[in-house]
Amino acid sequence: QKEVEQDPGPLSVPEGAIVSLNCTYSNSAFQYFMWYRQYSRKGPELLMYTYSSGNKEDGRFTAQVDKSSKYISLFIRDSQPSDSATYLCAMRSNSGYALNFGKGTSLLVTP
Amino acid sequence: NAGVMQNPRHLVRRRGQEARLRCSPMKGHSHVYWYRQLPEEGLKFMVYLQKENIIDESGMPKERFSAEFPKEGPSILRIQQVVRGDSAAYFCASSGGLINEKLFFGSGTQLSVL
Repeated sequence: QKEVEQDPGPLSVPEGAIVSLNCTYSNSAFQYFMWYRQYSRKGPELLMYTYSSGNKEDGRFTAQVDKSSKYISLFIRDSQPSDSATYLCAMRSNSGYALNFGKGTSLLVTP
Repeated sequence: NAGVMQNPRHLVRRRGQEARLRCSPMKGHSHVYWYRQLPEEGLKFMVYLQKENIIDESGMPKERFSAEFPKEGPSILRIQQVVRGDSAAYFCASSGGLINEKLFFGSGTQLSVL
């Protein structure tokens, strides 16, 4: 079993829709959870950064962490064509240096 | 733009040649991480370096791969005697060094081995 599982999609939604992206993980030691956005042929760009369980909101983006279920989510409200990208979840423990990434979910927002 | 700078953006090598990938961290950052992204795969951690020190190289292949971050100059990821399986995007990230600090990534080097 991979440590971090993420549905690769592709996910296609109309402009203005609410998008839900998620990851599951198996390592209960993970404490830091991140979402990165990656455009084609570019490096990952940090979107959301959370510690332990709970919700965090930043503009149109909301990140949720449910450690009891080992499940994290990213919600995008009022999605825009410019949100079309691959979204990567990443996580690590308190003691580890390495980020453990999901494979990424490809999102297409159509006008 | 004081972001993480990687060069070259694209590198083509023939089998058996050496590849050198460079990374200059974000201004004020002294910690560098290298990740590899294979087609259809997620980003995989390779190595974590501070100035003149390798802190964690648990993700580095045992042979042909090495990394350094000298006191002066960029971090270098070196791949000797490249093989086709080394073809991938190699990303560098930097941080200020505290355990909970965020990582910021460069645009990557796409290595193609012919």
